[in-house]
Amino acid sequence: AQSVTQPDIHITVSEGASLELRCNYSYGATPYLFWYVQSPGQGLQLLLKYFSGDTLVQGIKGFEAEFKRSQSSFNLRKPSVHWSDAAEYFCAVGGTSKLTFGTGTRLQVTL
Amino acid sequence: DTEVTQTPKHLVMGMTNKKSLKCEQHMGHRAMYWYKQKAKKPPELMFVYSYEKLSINESVPSRFSPECPNSSLLNLHLHALQPEDSALYLCASSQGPNSGNTIYFGEGSWLTVV
Repeated sequence: AQSVTQPDIHITVSEGASLELRCNYSYGATPYLFWYVQSPGQGLQLLLKYFSGDTLVQGIKGFEAEFKRSQSSFNLRKPSVHWSDAAEYFCAVGGTSKLTFGTGTRLQVTL
Repeated sequence: DTEVTQTPKHLVMGMTNKKSLKCEQHMGHRAMYWYKQKAKKPPELMFVYSYEKLSINESVPSRFSPECPNSSLLNLHLHALQPEDSALYLCASSQGPNSGNTIYFGEGSWLTVV
């Protein structure tokens, strides 16, 4: 069965600081991996996705993620966080007809 | 901006009411989904429609009844709900039902059952 673990429930960073959100997955074959962001009271917006090929994936809003098969990880990064990045971030894995989400990481940005 | 449109954005209903949530997409996608999301939790899959046919029902209680009138529309009919059904209901779509296709979400409908 596929699963996703986001070890950090809550992260606080200062505006302008770098960010890394962790995601570990479990899947028997090559996974399809996604990062979504959810602002308070909103739906989910796709930040980026990995299907195959280059293991460093660029997304919207200056985010990137790196797929590391050996570590079963797909961590999300941003070099300089903006106050508007404060939101809930979900990592997800797909490979069957279902998308499995992690429990999410809430990002707080201090000014 | 999302291309999956959900109405209404907010709905308050009594436990004896019948109401519906509506979802529309114009991306030509052939798979549509309903997810339920409780506060501080990830979305949970409820139903999947593939080519206008129900392909997955995640053991959802019968008080939730999905309907796919055509390839662009998805409804969720609600009847005799319980207060614990209060949640954000997210509609989503993808090009096909395989999870290799990116799933795009709407803004959601906030449901409160009183």
